[in-house]
Amino acid sequence: EPEVTQTPSHQVTQMGQEVILRCVPISNHLYFYWYRQILGQKVEFLVSFYNNEISEKSEIFDDQFSVERPDGSNFTLKIRSTKLEDSAMYFCASSGRDREANEKLFFGSGTQLSVL
Amino acid sequence: AQSVTQLDSQVPVFEEAPVELRCNYSSSVSVYLFWYVQYPNQGLQLLLKYLSGSTLVKGINGFEAEFNKSQTSFHLRKPSVHISDTAEYFCAVSDRGYQKVTFGTGTKLQVIP
Repeated sequence: EPEVTQTPSHQVTQMGQEVILRCVPISNHLYFYWYRQILGQKVEFLVSFYNNEISEKSEIFDDQFSVERPDGSNFTLKIRSTKLEDSAMYFCASSGRDREANEKLFFGSGTQLSVL
Repeated sequence: AQSVTQLDSQVPVFEEAPVELRCNYSSSVSVYLFWYVQYPNQGLQLLLKYLSGSTLVKGINGFEAEFNKSQTSFHLRKPSVHISDTAEYFCAVSDRGYQKVTFGTGTKLQVIP
């Protein structure tokens, strides 16, 4: 089965620094997502992206966050000035050409972000 | 707004015993329902989904779930678990026509030899 790839698997950063988390979605997919999971808590929706723009975002996705699809293969999440509470596992997901985008999401294995 | 409740945070069960992981949801519109599994150090993998039609849905690895609209439930079952089923299981809901999927807090299934 095709896979969503995320790099790096672990990222450690100092508070206030910018981080970019990278994802390579499945090649013919059209919808892209970022979710996060703070240790011991639920998986939370951050943002969805379609046709080169954000289609939905949660309250968590404030001005410190941005997403980009800089080329035909990568999908990135940038956090401009990290806070301690941004420490979490960040999951990228993509979904394909189904009539309804949310019928099946394919998830990457995640990037564990630790903010010190 | 949609939400998912998984009341059991951990479920220990002996190998070859049956298991049921409970999930209740709330939503104001027609929904899609999912179970995802997360093995240690891995991403989320779709186990099964309910979109429409038959309320009994069969998934991978011998799991099945039943959609009960009157009870707003989507419990996951397996008649006989294996050690390899040890993982965290997430119930999720999505409103039709929307992209956002809302997850529950997860249930850790621990299979005891």
